[in-house]
Amino acid sequence: GAGVSQTPSNKVTEKGKYVELRCDPISGHTALYWYRQSLGQGPEFLIYFQGTGAADDSGLPNDRFFAVRPEGSVSTLKIQRTERGDSAVYLCASSGGGPTDTQYFGPGTRLTVL
Amino acid sequence: DQQVKQNSPSLSVQEGRISILNCDYTNSMFDYFLWYKKYPAEGPTFLISISSIKDKNEDGRFTVFLNKSAKHLSLHIVPSQPGDSAVYFCAAPGGDNYGGSQGNLIFGKGTKLSVKP
Repeated sequence: GAGVSQTPSNKVTEKGKYVELRCDPISGHTALYWYRQSLGQGPEFLIYFQGTGAADDSGLPNDRFFAVRPEGSVSTLKIQRTERGDSAVYLCASSGGGPTDTQYFGPGTRLTVL
Repeated sequence: DQQVKQNSPSLSVQEGRISILNCDYTNSMFDYFLWYKKYPAEGPTFLISISSIKDKNEDGRFTVFLNKSAKHLSLHIVPSQPGDSAVYFCAAPGGDNYGGSQGNLIFGKGTKLSVKP
């Protein structure tokens, strides 16, 4: 597809479980971002990759959150021991990597932790 | 402490009239700003941006104004159309990436615009 895709679109899990959220960026985009949007809030930055490496992971809330991008394309956001407060829409975006390149967002994964 | 603030959670406008969405920021290091538009169940879509070397940027029906001394920007939509009904987010690049859109974006809470036919 032409845009950023994210799977699954919805994920319901139980407290304490492990989840993985996947992001497929626009082909050729070197930069990839993860954000989290809680109800009534704007997107909140989590982590940013340039190529395979995490250029900035300062937004990850704690060590239960981890993200990888092993081949510089697809990225997976991993959440261990999920808590109810992790419930949110997780958004992925990609860009060409230039200083003024637009970030293009995917539709998000809605995570619900029961 | 919110660095990008959108103090109006909602705005209702009649079709054909002007919509004005406001955004304030606290970090004087910000020198590039973006507006994103979001429909339900979709990701945010880039709308328009402005660099601090300008005080106005126009793209069709959308114009963004920047007042650096007041740390304030606004998005004007003229004329407003029912299809413009969405949540609008103001954003600025954070981290060490001032001057461009690279790196993390800091978003406001958004303003929900409703344009009534």
